[in-house]
Amino acid sequence: RKEVEQDPGPFNVPEGATVAFNCTYSNSASQSFFWYRQDCRKEPKLLMSVYSSGNEDGRFTAQLNRASQYISLLIRDSKLSDSATYLCVVNPQPDDKIIFGKGTRLHILP
Amino acid sequence: GAVVSQHPSRVICKSGTSVKIECRSLDFQATTMFWYRQFPKKSLMLMATSNEGSKATYEQGVEKDKFLINHASLTLSTLTVTSAHPEDSSFYICSARVTGGYGEAFFGQGTRLTVV
Repeated sequence: RKEVEQDPGPFNVPEGATVAFNCTYSNSASQSFFWYRQDCRKEPKLLMSVYSSGNEDGRFTAQLNRASQYISLLIRDSKLSDSATYLCVVNPQPDDKIIFGKGTRLHILP
Repeated sequence: GAVVSQHPSRVICKSGTSVKIECRSLDFQATTMFWYRQFPKKSLMLMATSNEGSKATYEQGVEKDKFLINHASLTLSTLTVTSAHPEDSSFYICSARVTGGYGEAFFGQGTRLTVV
């Protein structure tokens, strides 16, 4: 099983729709979880940290399910500007290297 | 979010020369920094983990004598590509992890290296 696994997509979604990404991780002792977005030819940018209680930031909601070892990201009322690659990231322990998923490509269609 | 500055953003060099890339955390301390390379439409590939004051840990298949990493302070890490060849042309990105935080890491803007 890969350390961090995501559906590579692409997801082609009409503007205004809701889109959900899932990501699974293999190390059950992992401590910290994140979603990043990366635009074409740019560096990844932190979108959200994912906490055990779940968290929401505007149109974005992130959930963590430790029992099933997966993280989710929900984007509501999607915008054209949401088109990007979304990276699931796991930090197993504070001093460990960060593990990136390969990313899910999202295309929002007008 | 926190700011990481990477310099230069773009460099073209001749085959056989060396190129140094700097990565600075501007408003936080980073005990650990990471260096990645990325080819077009491909995933990030971790090259090495850099810890302040100690030797870098390289990923399998990454030549430590070719990609020299120095992390002399809590805000600066450098990557030197020695004796660069055209196959070293790539997008190099650093990230810095906030010391003592939840584990968030912030990325530099990346360096696009072209070796001719």
